[in-house]
Amino acid sequence: SQELEQSPQSLIVQEGKNLTINCTSSKTLYGLYWYKQKYGEGLIFLMMLQKGGEEKSHEKITAKLDEKKQQSSLHITASQPSHAGIYLCGADKSYNTDKLIFGTGTRLQVFP
Amino acid sequence: GAGVSQSPRYKVAKRGQDVALRCDPISGHVSLFWYQQALGQGPEFLTYFQNEAQLDKSGLPSDRFFAERPEGSVSTLKIQRTQQEDSAVYLCASSPRAEKLFFGSGTQLSVL
Repeated sequence: SQELEQSPQSLIVQEGKNLTINCTSSKTLYGLYWYKQKYGEGLIFLMMLQKGGEEKSHEKITAKLDEKKQQSSLHITASQPSHAGIYLCGADKSYNTDKLIFGTGTRLQVFP
Repeated sequence: GAGVSQSPRYKVAKRGQDVALRCDPISGHVSLFWYQQALGQGPEFLTYFQNEAQLDKSGLPSDRFFAERPEGSVSTLKIQRTQQEDSAVYLCASSPRAEKLFFGSGTQLSVL
């Protein structure tokens, strides 16, 4: 079955630093989603990528999907304490399905 | 309401007790999902509804877990004879057909 691996598992950075989180799949990704979760809360949608080589940005967060559609990266520029949380990548389990599987998450802490 | 609403927010149950978790999806959303999230892990798929039809229940861990959505709106996840390993956050998500998922804040279940 398809699995998503995220790295690193946790990250502690100083405010203002850039960082990158990776998500790797053993199979071709039909749709790749990035979500953010704060402790005790549900998941907040960040971005969705579908096409090989696609890149999307929102504020200081940029997500990319590689050409082979098996790896995605999430890059945060000039991190702020508000970026702290758990970042989860999710993928469509197969083509034309709404069902998502998720990685184990990357816990990000940003200190002043 | 504006978002997916789950209740109760927290539930403490004695081992062997039955529990019922409720999910109010966003009005008009066709698809509804239940996920289980253990501490430090990503969400694991449990079951999926399209309107009132349960299309996929492959993620339900045992026959003690039962979900329903009788009128295609509110859904209930029932766990019978709870065990300690059932302790987790149960997340509900809804979506318009084949689009991004909108998550509720979850129900944190603790089985003592």
